[in-house]
Amino acid sequence: QLQLQESGPGLVKPSETLSLTCTVSGGSISSSSYYWGWIRQPPGKGLEWIGSIYYSGFTHYSPSLKSRVTISVDTSKNQLSLKLSSVTAADTAVYYCANIVVVVAALDPWGQGTLVTVSS
Amino acid sequence: QSVLTQPPSVSGAPGQRVTISCTGSSSNIGAGHDVHWYQQLPGTAPKLLVFGNSNRPSGVPDRFSGSKSGTSASLAITGLQAEDEADYYCQSYDNSLSGWVFGGGTKLTVL
Repeated sequence: QLQLQESGPGLVKPSETLSLTCTVSGGSISSSSYYWGWIRQPPGKGLEWIGSIYYSGFTHYSPSLKSRVTISVDTSKNQLSLKLSSVTAADTAVYYCANIVVVVAALDPWGQGTLVTVSS
Repeated sequence: QSVLTQPPSVSGAPGQRVTISCTGSSSNIGAGHDVHWYQQLPGTAPKLLVFGNSNRPSGVPDRFSGSKSGTSASLAITGLQAEDEADYYCQSYDNSLSGWVFGGGTKLTVL
């Protein structure tokens, strides 16, 4: 059973880079059957897709965040990572990683999420 | 403002049926892209409820059903239960934005 767990700093200063890791267990991040995605949810608001990555390294980013986002995979550690540069208070959110089955293109399962606050 | 439009809230009494709409356009739902639905219970991560417009993952009760027509989709919940009180989100792909999009979410209150 696939499980995902996000980790990283809960507090980031404005203008700095937010870095998060998602550890995958119960399956291989190198499987050709899966994509992997990052989604965020500002407090009290809705969901926003950040981007996705295939095990080969092919990435697909939200146009609104593309200039600041980098998503990568580390197959040796079965992890994917998210970097978001030049953060502002508007980037304060719960960040989720999720599995995407290629033939379905739906997000399942999701990690539990991690709250990142941008503040000095 | 979300690309996919959902009502902010719906409500119903236990045992009743409610529907949640998800309205898109010719660049997303109307372009033939599948719609998926997620349930987010308070303080938890979203959970896949319906995929591919009308399919339920194993373990999801058949009280939940999805449909799609034209540029819209709907989630129906029958036999409402108190445990169904949650936020519900639709999701699809948008050609113009070249990316995945979510609805703004609908809060279901069980009266």
